[in-house]
Amino acid sequence: EVQLVESGGGLVQPGRSLRLSCGASGFTLDDYTMHWVRQAPGKGLEWVSGISWNSGSIGYADSVRGRFIISRHNAKNSLYLQMNSLRAEDTALYYCVKDRSSGWNGYFDYWGQGTLVTVSS
Amino acid sequence: DIQMTQSPSSLSASVGDRVTITCRASQTISSYLNWYQQKPGKAPNLLIYAASNLQSGVPSRFSGSGSGTHFTLTISSLQPEDFATYYCQQSYRTPLSFGGGTKVEIK
Repeated sequence: EVQLVESGGGLVQPGRSLRLSCGASGFTLDDYTMHWVRQAPGKGLEWVSGISWNSGSIGYADSVRGRFIISRHNAKNSLYLQMNSLRAEDTALYYCVKDRSSGWNGYFDYWGQGTLVTVSS
Repeated sequence: DIQMTQSPSSLSASVGDRVTITCRASQTISSYLNWYQQKPGKAPNLLIYAASNLQSGVPSRFSGSGSGTHFTLTISSLQPEDFATYYCQQSYRTPLSFGGGTKVEIK
């Protein structure tokens, strides 16, 4: 059974940093592209970042480019999101998401339950 | 960047109704269009991938069509468990993007 378990969320002040982690099980992580998708309270879904199977290709939403860094450690079955210079508008539930493909033209077939990030003073 | 526009943003329907949701892309995305269902307090769930392919385990009352810039999700006979929010998403080019969502409510 595929499982994705996010951790690392919490309350953080504007301008500070936070690192999210996602533990994957039930599949071979290094076969697939992985993503982070977020959802602000009461709002829609926003793709944040994605990383190809071998970390050779990485993408970011315009809203986080230059502040967030995605990475993965396939041997540890883990995905990460380093979030720097956090803003109030980064407040959201952050989902770890598995892609069906190893590239960019796939679809999101498994989602974690999310970890909540709240940016507030 | 590719913008995805869904319509309507919300609708009210009765059990048994046929429901159609539209998604338009700001530029051609071939058939790289996926649909997700999200219920309150839950993670989204994949319904349709590559515009018209039904994900395993999804009821056959759900169907998708379209290519290029215009896509539709159809629920042939709305069931009580279908009341939820639906999102389209393009996987043609990064940055990947979602539509704003369509909330399907009970009439």
